[in-house]
Amino acid sequence: ETGVTQSPTHLIKTRGQQVTLRCSSQSGHNTVSWYQQALGQGPQFIFQYYREEENGRGNFPPRFSGLQFPNYSSELNVNALELDDSALYLCASSLGTGSLGTEAFFGQGTRLTVV
Amino acid sequence: GENVEQHPSTLSVQEGDSAVIKCTYSDSASNYFPWYKQELGKGPQLIIDIRSNVGEKKDQRIAVTLNKTAKHFSLHITETQPEDSAVYFCAASIMGSARQLTFGSGTQLTVLP
Repeated sequence: ETGVTQSPTHLIKTRGQQVTLRCSSQSGHNTVSWYQQALGQGPQFIFQYYREEENGRGNFPPRFSGLQFPNYSSELNVNALELDDSALYLCASSLGTGSLGTEAFFGQGTRLTVV
Repeated sequence: GENVEQHPSTLSVQEGDSAVIKCTYSDSASNYFPWYKQELGKGPQLIIDIRSNVGEKKDQRIAVTLNKTAKHFSLHITETQPEDSAVYFCAASIMGSARQLTFGSGTQLTVLP
């Protein structure tokens, strides 16, 4: 086990709704990255938070937003859900960033289904 | 941006045989290459990684090789066991940035008993 926990494990939402996913990073880790994994594909980088600030963003629209809290846990918020947002959302934690960053360890993911 | 291609998409081997998965990357600035194993219903698990100042790294039955000139890297699993069956992903990133990982499309490895 990596020590990275995500909640909820499964979620069903209706198109147009909003959703919040949560992640608790591994003890001692101050960096959280979020990834979207569509069925049968590799994870795609959404964004990263380092010490409570966004520190890099992938090719995702602004309706994907996030937060990191002082205890380094994090939230991913998605507004105006679309059917294509159905995927496994993964959180990865690490210590530091850039050339001093450690390996990224993933949680078990949140399976989001948009109907 | 970075693009990572992974082959094969599926691989079946007999228990005890070796398995090799290959990846190529496009951005010569990439310098960190982890490999993840993902079992059904779970998140990716880091199994080994390599940095660009090293050509090969080994950890028991698992080894990774890197050819910076050709921009490709490979995962080698020897003496495969049924519990090695899973989806394997390669990834690449640039250390010194947000360490955004760009993943390959995955290889479904099946080890037949």
